[in-house]
Amino acid sequence: GESVGLHLPTLSVQEGDNSIINCAYSNSASDYFIWYKQESGKGPQFIIDIRSNMDKRQGQRVTVLLNKTVKHLSLQIAATQPGDSAVYFCAEFSGTYKYIFGTGTRLKVLA
Amino acid sequence: DTGVSQDPRHKITKRGQNVTFRCDPISEHNRLYWYRQTLGQGPEFLTYFQNEAQLEKSRLLSDRFSAERPKGSFSTLEIQRTEQGDSAMYLCASSLFRGLGYEQYFGPGTRLTVT
Repeated sequence: GESVGLHLPTLSVQEGDNSIINCAYSNSASDYFIWYKQESGKGPQFIIDIRSNMDKRQGQRVTVLLNKTVKHLSLQIAATQPGDSAVYFCAEFSGTYKYIFGTGTRLKVLA
Repeated sequence: DTGVSQDPRHKITKRGQNVTFRCDPISEHNRLYWYRQTLGQGPEFLTYFQNEAQLEKSRLLSDRFSAERPKGSFSTLEIQRTEQGDSAMYLCASSLFRGLGYEQYFGPGTRLTVT
């Protein structure tokens, strides 16, 4: 299949370890954020979201942290598995309808 | 909830030909988006519909591009007189307010190759 993001920042993690993927967003007025996972040749897949009045939100094996002071989001993946290998994007919801996507990060899980 | 679907998944066309892509959003979603994605980049916004109304078009969307959502359900994106620079993944997404905000879900994309 095709490869998404040949020249993206890459995070290599040993299987079973925790992964932390970071994202800086641009608009201090953005009030809603989504993390997406994109596998090669597929569309982005919704993972988890968070609102600006929250600092942290947990899902299944994933946690999103939001630091509004420095306009920073992070996605933590616990016990990283080979199936987590993909490109991860954050998106900020700005205004009334528009999403702005950050630069993706490629996660490589090493066996 | 059957997810967002797009058709075709792949399209190879010769420069100068017209192509049309279809998107079927999640049925109760009133917002529909088209994006373009090239290698190494996040999705770039092209256009947005609320129900059948096209409310914004990006400057990326030249006059050769047109999108419709005639009954507020499925949408089509047409590219006329394709150029090699149009080669990209075209993504459709739909959204609805639920939980914390407007959750946006993507389709699998249509990969366009212009030769």
